[in-house]
Amino acid sequence: GAVVSQHPSWVICKSGTSVKIECRSLDFQATTMFWYRQFPKQSLMLMATSNEGSKATYEQGVEKDKFLINHASLTLSTLTVTSAHPEDSSFYICSVQYSGAFTEAFFGQGTRLTVV
Amino acid sequence: KQEVTQIPAALSVPEGENLVLNCSFTDSAIYNLQWFRQDPGKGLTSLLLIQSSQREQTSGRLNASLDKSSGRSTLYIAASQPGDSATYLCAVDSWGKFQFGAGTQVVVTP
Repeated sequence: GAVVSQHPSWVICKSGTSVKIECRSLDFQATTMFWYRQFPKQSLMLMATSNEGSKATYEQGVEKDKFLINHASLTLSTLTVTSAHPEDSSFYICSVQYSGAFTEAFFGQGTRLTVV
Repeated sequence: KQEVTQIPAALSVPEGENLVLNCSFTDSAIYNLQWFRQDPGKGLTSLLLIQSSQREQTSGRLNASLDKSSGRSTLYIAASQPGDSATYLCAVDSWGKFQFGAGTQVVVTP
């Protein structure tokens, strides 16, 4: 399966600052990557679809100006949480979907963001 | 809108017992269903993928079934071990987007 590397695995930042999270597809070129958010004891919620070379597609209710997504190459997508607030504290996970005869999803190890 | 439900939310069994985890979805127009394992504070590990045309998939002690018409999938884990303790998530691929259930938290006691 695909190998997805996410960095950092955890980060603590002060309220009002910005944080960048990287997601790399290590063994295949991903034109599309996905960003999810997971609150404690809850499921993963799709935030946005990252498209290489074009604008990301955001799910309803996700602020595109707060969660900036850049997909500048076929192996790297970044999520920047701007002007972070404590309510942004969550677990952020990226995913790639390998589409052959069927589509299978592979996930990074996640980033635990804590805003203090 | 696709909704995915997992029952039970939590499960505790003694080592050696078989585990049965349930996943239901509201829209039967799916491409695939995938089961994942998530350890605390970690990402997701893919366990099994069932294509919409398949009825089941097996890998070692794991077996997953799919009944599209009734909107159900079941993950069976035989002869559970303490190392099986984790949260198990099912995800349905509908129209290219994965919709997740809230997961079943499993504890296997020695």
